[in-house]
Amino acid sequence: GNSVTQMEGPVTLSEEAFLTINCTYTATGYPSLFWYVQYPGEGLQLLLKATKADDKGSNKGFEATYRKETTSFHLEKGSVQVSDSAVYFCALRREGITGGGNKLTFGTGTQLKVEL
Amino acid sequence: GAGVSQTPSNKVTEKGKYVELRCDPISGHTALYWYRQSLGQGPEFLIYFQGTGAADDSGLPNDRFFAVRPEGSVSTLKIQRTERGDSAVYLCASSPWAATQNTGELFFGEGSRLTVL
Repeated sequence: GNSVTQMEGPVTLSEEAFLTINCTYTATGYPSLFWYVQYPGEGLQLLLKATKADDKGSNKGFEATYRKETTSFHLEKGSVQVSDSAVYFCALRREGITGGGNKLTFGTGTQLKVEL
Repeated sequence: GAGVSQTPSNKVTEKGKYVELRCDPISGHTALYWYRQSLGQGPEFLIYFQGTGAADDSGLPNDRFFAVRPEGSVSTLKIQRTERGDSAVYLCASSPWAATQNTGELFFGEGSRLTVL
């Protein structure tokens, strides 16, 4: 079956530090890959996505590249801010979904704490 | 409202009781999803609807769990004979169904936190 594995948290960084949160997946074919973020007191929201190999998703200074050869989708940001403190979830949607059926498989989440 | 609305935000109940959790999706979104998030875990799929019908209910853990969406908009997740292990945050999400509108993004509510004593 499909699965997503994320690095365990919490990850604690100083402001302006470089961030990497690792994510690897197991799935047949070419799933679509997502990063969702959950800020304190808010619902999950999409951060970025990639739908095919070598695609790079980017948003708010975050980037992730879909690597088929390593089945990975690591999240990176060059300079984190205190406002980036949140829980980050990697997720996949199996190949072949077009209309509807956005059934996602999530990782366990990685908590990020950014300190001044 | 503009986003997915879930009520109640918090529910405390006793073991063995019946619970209903409500979800009001984004207007025009025909697909609606229920997920469960236990402490320290990622969201776990329960069921999703296309319109009024359940398109996939493979994630429901047992027959104590049931969900309906009678008019294709609001959905209710129903849990009978609650157990302490049912304690979790129940998340609802919606998305457009049509392929031309479907970017793969789910729009989540803030969740209903259920505590079974």
